[in-house]
Amino acid sequence: KAGVTQTPRYLIKTRGQQVTLSCSPISGHRSVSWYQQTPGQGLQFLFEYFSETQRNKGNFPGRFSGRQFSNSRSEMNVSTLELGDSALYLCASSSRSGSSYNEQFFGPGTRLTVL
Amino acid sequence: AQSVAQPEDQVNVAEGNPLTVKCTYSVSGNPYLFWYVQYPNRGLQFLLKYITGDNLVKGSYGFEAEFNKSQTSFHLKKPSALVSDSALYFCAVRDPNMDSNYQLIWGAGTKLIIKP
Repeated sequence: KAGVTQTPRYLIKTRGQQVTLSCSPISGHRSVSWYQQTPGQGLQFLFEYFSETQRNKGNFPGRFSGRQFSNSRSEMNVSTLELGDSALYLCASSSRSGSSYNEQFFGPGTRLTVL
Repeated sequence: AQSVAQPEDQVNVAEGNPLTVKCTYSVSGNPYLFWYVQYPNRGLQFLLKYITGDNLVKGSYGFEAEFNKSQTSFHLKKPSALVSDSALYFCAVRDPNMDSNYQLIWGAGTKLIIKP
């Protein structure tokens, strides 16, 4: 079974620009979550989607948005980029939502650098 | 407030020696507990989890963890460390009544360095 894929793997943007990151979950997985990972803040929850519906959003400004498509692929968008948005953005899928014992399967991440 | 603590930022172990990466938590009830590992330039990989049953859980790559309810701990262990075990390790905890990943509490991570 193919793992979680994320594209692109690396991005360099300048302040004020916007960016779209893509995530394809493991086949059959309908739950997708996004995380921001930085050395100072660790792993921070961004969003969780299940069956095209956003279940929860973390404590991030409205510049951060996302969506999930009918094939469970997900995208996240960051508008008006700031220097502090530089981070590794991780996508994770799991087989279903509402099962708190399920582990997550992570993609390799997208390394975003904002200059 | 619910929390997870990984008290050591870094753990150094000689190859062949046993290793322990510590995790303590503060969550009401009987939590679900997870360990993940992150190798350089990679995403996180699931290692093992405790849901219920035997307090000693065995996972991938020869790792195991022991759930200790009285000490609210879930330390990760391996009898004999390999250089390839060098990575960043994360503990995560969830209240079983909270089914969203929004409510999954992550530790800050512990960098494990295995020296030849």
